[in-house]
Amino acid sequence: GDSVTQMEGPVTLSEEAFLTINCTYTATGYPSLFWYVQYPGEGLQLLLKATKADDKGSNKGFEATYRKETTSFHLEKGSVQVSDSAVYFCALIGRGGSEKLVFGKGTKLTVNP
Amino acid sequence: DTAVSQTPKYLVTQMGNDKSIKCEQNLGHDTMYWYKQDSKKFLKIMFSYNNKELIINETVPNRFSPKSPDKAHLNLHINSLELGDSAVYFCASSLEETQYFGPGTRLLVL
Repeated sequence: GDSVTQMEGPVTLSEEAFLTINCTYTATGYPSLFWYVQYPGEGLQLLLKATKADDKGSNKGFEATYRKETTSFHLEKGSVQVSDSAVYFCALIGRGGSEKLVFGKGTKLTVNP
Repeated sequence: DTAVSQTPKYLVTQMGNDKSIKCEQNLGHDTMYWYKQDSKKFLKIMFSYNNKELIINETVPNRFSPKSPDKAHLNLHINSLELGDSAVYFCASSLEETQYFGPGTRLLVL
């Protein structure tokens, strides 16, 4: 079945550092790919998404590019802030029509001042 | 305005009890979901309804029964609660492929 593998944390960075959280996937066909963010004590929010190969999703300074050849969707941000501290989830929806989101295990990011 | 709301936010109960969690969305979406997030933050889908019809039912004990009285509501009833049911339960609704999550219900079974 479909699956998502993302780097396990926790990740601890200083403010203004560069962030990369790796995500790779296994799916039949070409799924849609997502990054969701969960701030402490809250539900998940969509951060960005890409629906086809070579698409780049971006939001709030975060970016991720849908790489079909490496089946990857790595999350990057050039300069993190303390307010970016959260758990980040990579996810996919396959093309089977079930609209079922399959999540990675989440990566906890802590940004220190 | 709250898009996806859940009640209660916290639920502490004894083993063996029956409890319900309610979910409502005011986004006009046709599809709603229940997810379970364990203590390690791992998220797994439990159920999905489209316009009041069950479309996804993962391997969930039959002590869990979802009910959708209308397409804006998807409630989750849990019978005979067990210690292992302690988790955060998230409701979500979707428009096309983007899902919108509620704030979660933190269930603790003692």
